[in-house]
Amino acid sequence: GNSVTQMEGPVTLSEEAFLTINCTYTATGYPSLFWYVQYPGEGLQLLLKATKADDKGSNKGFEATYRKETTSFHLEKGSVQVSDSAVYFCALGTSGGSYIPTFGRGTSLIVHP
Amino acid sequence: GAGVSQSPRYKVAKRGQDVALRCDPISGHVSLFWYQQALGQGPEFLTYFQNEAQLDKSGLPSDRFFAERPEGSVSTLKIQRTQQEDSAVYLCASSLARDRGETQYFGPGTRLLVL
Repeated sequence: GNSVTQMEGPVTLSEEAFLTINCTYTATGYPSLFWYVQYPGEGLQLLLKATKADDKGSNKGFEATYRKETTSFHLEKGSVQVSDSAVYFCALGTSGGSYIPTFGRGTSLIVHP
Repeated sequence: GAGVSQSPRYKVAKRGQDVALRCDPISGHVSLFWYQQALGQGPEFLTYFQNEAQLDKSGLPSDRFFAERPEGSVSTLKIQRTQQEDSAVYLCASSLARDRGETQYFGPGTRLLVL
């Protein structure tokens, strides 16, 4: 079946540090890949996505590249801010007979001033 | 425009009680998903609707869980004879169409506590 594995948190960084949150997946077919973010007290919202191999999704300074050869979709940001503190979820969706979106367990990011 | 809304936001139930959780998706969204999210975990798929048709209910943990979307808009997740292990946040999400690349829009969730 499909699965998503994220690095465990919490990830604690100082403001302006470089961020990487690793995400790898296993899937049948050709999945689309997503990063969702959940800010404190809010619902999940899409951060970025990529629908085919080698695509790069980007938003709010965050980037992730769909790497089919390494089955990865790592999230990066060059300079984090305190306001980026949240829980980040990697997810995939596949086409085919059974469409079941699959989420990772989430990685908590804490950014200190 | 309005996003996905869920009610109630919090629900405390005694073990054995029945509960009903409501989801109002974004108007015009064809697809609707229910998820269960335990503390410190990611959302786990429960069931999926395309319009009023329940196309997949493979994630429902037992026959005590039942979901419906009779007119293809509002959906209700019902849990009968609640157990303590049902305590979790129940998330609803909708999307414009059923497509692997389609963005899901999530509601704020209903936090269920079974005592």
